This record gives sequence, structure tokens and C-alpha cells, in this order.
Amino acid sequence: GAVVSQHPSWVICKSGTSVKIECRSLDFQATTMFWYRQFPKQSLMLMATSNEGSKATYEQGVEKDKFLINHASLTLSTLTVTSAHPEDSSFYICSAKAGSSYNEQFFGPGTRLTVL
Amino acid sequence: DAKTTQPPSMDCAEGRAANLPCNHSTISGNEYVYWYRQIHSQGPQYIIHGLKNNETNEMASLIITEDRKSSTLILPHATLRDTAVYYCIVRVVSGNTPLVFGKGTRLSVIA
Repeated sequence: GAVVSQHPSWVICKSGTSVKIECRSLDFQATTMFWYRQFPKQSLMLMATSNEGSKATYEQGVEKDKFLINHASLTLSTLTVTSAHPEDSSFYICSAKAGSSYNEQFFGPGTRLTVL
Repeated sequence: DAKTTQPPSMDCAEGRAANLPCNHSTISGNEYVYWYRQIHSQGPQYIIHGLKNNETNEMASLIITEDRKSSTLILPHATLRDTAVYYCIVRVVSGNTPLVFGKGTRLSVIA
């Protein structure tokens, strides 16, 4: 299957700072990328959907000004957690999809964010 | 909201077949059944998907009932590395519909 990478794999930051997470599709062009969040012992929760060159569509309850998503190219999407607080500590997972019809959704390995 | 129901946990002896059930009684005619799994602290991994016919690949088999209201994922010879949370998801395969995860089944393979 296609490969999706995330960087960093883990990050620890102080409360009030911003953190940027990168998601890259390594061997295919991802017209659509998805960002999920997962708290301990819970399932993945979809945060937003982004199409290359367009503004992201956020799920209900997800603050777009806090979780900034940029999908500027067909192989890179970034999620920036602005003014992070301890409650933002979570496992963030990106997913990429090629094309708009019958294509699988491939997942990155996830980024563990800990806000002190 | 997830449109599937799965048992929260299951155990399976190493080397035996693991049969994971999933109920999707409200599935629509244009929705596929997908299975993913997530090993601890990793991203989800695609296993298999199907519409109405049974499917098999190198990882697993998918058995879908004739009325499509339920399905079973079969791992023919479970190993310790198959210990993971298994998610059954129904999704329309068109446009950019994302995968929506339910709670899944935590499969523990025991030596």
C-alpha cells in the first residue's frame, strides 16, 4: 500500500506554545487529507478534511482557529495546534487519499503530543 | 455516529482462527464494509473491504451475509502480532467521504 509519513512522531511542548505536525504522502499524490485525534483508550475522532488548495472543512466542535490546517501541495498537509493547552495532549493521526472516487485511505503512524 | 456494532473485546488462542463479528443492519446499497486495525500507538492499517461478495486477501477473509446486515472478519491463523483493535466501518465509496471509526473490537491473541 501507499506510504504516509508524519513528523514529528512525538513532541512535548509548554502550555501556550504552538506545534506544527507534518503529514506527507510519499509515493502518491493526495488530493484529500484527513486529520484525526485519538485520546487514550478511545477511538479515532475525525477533526477535519482538507483538499489540496482549498480551505479545510472542520467537524462540529473542532475549533478552526485553534487547529490550523494547510494543504498547500499534493504531498503535504500540516496541522498546527495553536496556543496548546494540556487538554490538547493527544495522538494526532493524518490520513491521505488519492483521487476522489474509489481510492483507499492510507494512514500515517501518528504524532503523540504532550502539552505540559 | 458509527453505523456498526462490534463486541468490545475478544480473546483468541495463538494459531487458531479469529472470527470478529460486525453488525451493520442499516447499511445502504452503495456502502462498502471496510476493516482496519490499529496496533497500540500506531496508525490504522487497512485489512480488507467488500460490497456483497466474500473477499479474501493475504491478511484475512471477509464474510458478508446475504442481506448485508452483518459481516465477519476471519484471521485464519492468529499470531501474537495480530493483537490490536479491529474496526469495522461502512462507507460510501465516492467523493471524499472519510472513514468514521466506531469503538472497534480489542482482539487479544494469547500464547
